[in-house]
Amino acid sequence: QSVLTQPPSASGTPGQRVTISCSGSSSNIGSNFVYWYQQFPGTAPKFVIYRNNQRPSGVPDRFSGSKSGTSASLAISGLRSEDEADYYCAAWDDSLSGLVVFGGGTKLTVL
Amino acid sequence: QVQLQESGPGLVKPSETLSLTCTVSGGSVSSGSYYWSWIRQPPGKGLEWIGYIYYSGSTNYNPSLKSRVTISVDTSKNQFSLKLSSVTAADTAVYYCARMWEWIPDYWGQGTLVTVSS
Repeated sequence: QSVLTQPPSASGTPGQRVTISCSGSSSNIGSNFVYWYQQFPGTAPKFVIYRNNQRPSGVPDRFSGSKSGTSASLAISGLRSEDEADYYCAAWDDSLSGLVVFGGGTKLTVL
Repeated sequence: QVQLQESGPGLVKPSETLSLTCTVSGGSVSSGSYYWSWIRQPPGKGLEWIGYIYYSGSTNYNPSLKSRVTISVDTSKNQFSLKLSSVTAADTAVYYCARMWEWIPDYWGQGTLVTVSS
C-alpha cells in the first residue's frame, strides 16, 4: 500500500488532455514539493515535473503539474503515443526521521 | 553529468544478505550538496525508497526496512553500498541507486534485478 494514492490506470486518444491525480497528507504533499516521474518498461524513472510545477529542460510544455492542499495532479495535453508510460508522484514525508514516499503509479495508455 | 551504476549478484538465497554497490562517475559522493540513496521496484509493482547516506556516513532508512538495512559509503572509491539481511522472495526487485536532490532522487542508475530464490 503506497503512502501517496494514484489511480492505477488512465487513458486517452491522441491529442486529448489527460490528468493523473496524486493524494497524500499534511506530512508529505501538504508541506513539501511534489515531483512526477515518467518510467518506460525496463528503464529508470525520469523527472517530468519537479517542485510541483516546474519542467526539466527537454520535457515538452505539454506536461504540467499543480498542487492544492494535500493533492497534486499531472496533466498531459496534446497526448502523443510516446507518452504511453507509467507515471509516479513522489514527495518527502516529514514523519519520524523523514522519508521519500511514492504513489503506486499510473499506467497511461494512448488508445 | 553524473552517472550511477549498480553492481552485485543477481541471485541471492533466502535468509542470506543481499549486497549491492553503486559506482558514481561525473560527480563525487563527497559532495556536501547531495545525499545518495537506494530505491527498489518489485516486478510489475511500484517504487519503494530504501534509504540514503551522506558522505559523512549519516544515514536514514525507511522504517519498514530499517531493521534489515545498512547503507555505507566509500569516498575513496566514489561508491556507496547496500546490504539487506534475511532476504525472502518478497525482496525480489530491481534495485536502483540514485542521487538525492532536494530530498528526492533525481539521477538514477539503470537498475539491477536481484532475485531471491534457492
